[in-house]
Amino acid sequence: EPEVTQTPSHQVTQMGQEVILRCVPISNHLYFYWYRQILGQKVEFLVSFYNNEISEKSEIFDDQFSVERPDGSNFTLKIRSTKLEDSAMYFCASSTGTNTGELFFGEGSRLTVL
Amino acid sequence: AQRVTQPEKLLSVFKGAPVELKCNYSYSGSPELFWYVQYSRQRLQLLLRHISRESIKGFTADLNKGETSFHLKKPFAQEEDSAMYYCALSGHSNYQLIWGAGTKLIIKP
Repeated sequence: EPEVTQTPSHQVTQMGQEVILRCVPISNHLYFYWYRQILGQKVEFLVSFYNNEISEKSEIFDDQFSVERPDGSNFTLKIRSTKLEDSAMYFCASSTGTNTGELFFGEGSRLTVL
Repeated sequence: AQRVTQPEKLLSVFKGAPVELKCNYSYSGSPELFWYVQYSRQRLQLLLRHISRESIKGFTADLNKGETSFHLKKPFAQEEDSAMYYCALSGHSNYQLIWGAGTKLIIKP
């Protein structure tokens, strides 16, 4: 069964460093998402991506964040200059269409900013 | 404002007992409601959605617009039901889900 895959599973970085989290969505899916979950808190929407552009983003997704689909398979989340408060589990998800609510999630990438 | 509330952080019941995980929402229109589950060391996955009106793994959830609730129920809990359960809402936006804080369900043998 096809799955969303994410790398790395855990990354530790120093404050101010750039981080790239990678995701390979399910191949026939058209919509891609990043969510994050700070330890002990709710899952929060960051951004959605369709047709090679951002379709929606939250207030969290400021200028420090960017997403890219550099080729036909990868979907990346870049944090330019990490802050302590960026420490969280970052989930990538994909879906076949909008408004269905059925998102297929990766296992998450845990980011620790020191 | 769109909001999903799961009042219980932790729910512990004995195997065979009924389970009800509460979810209340705040939304001005007609929302779509979902339950996602995360078993230990596994990824988040969709358990069920209200528009399907289906029963998955013995779980059901009915959307009560009067009470703005979407509680998840199972008449007889099993040990393998132990997991983290998240209620989520899809509303104005077509792209994002609004999540509750999650309820950790522990089924005691």
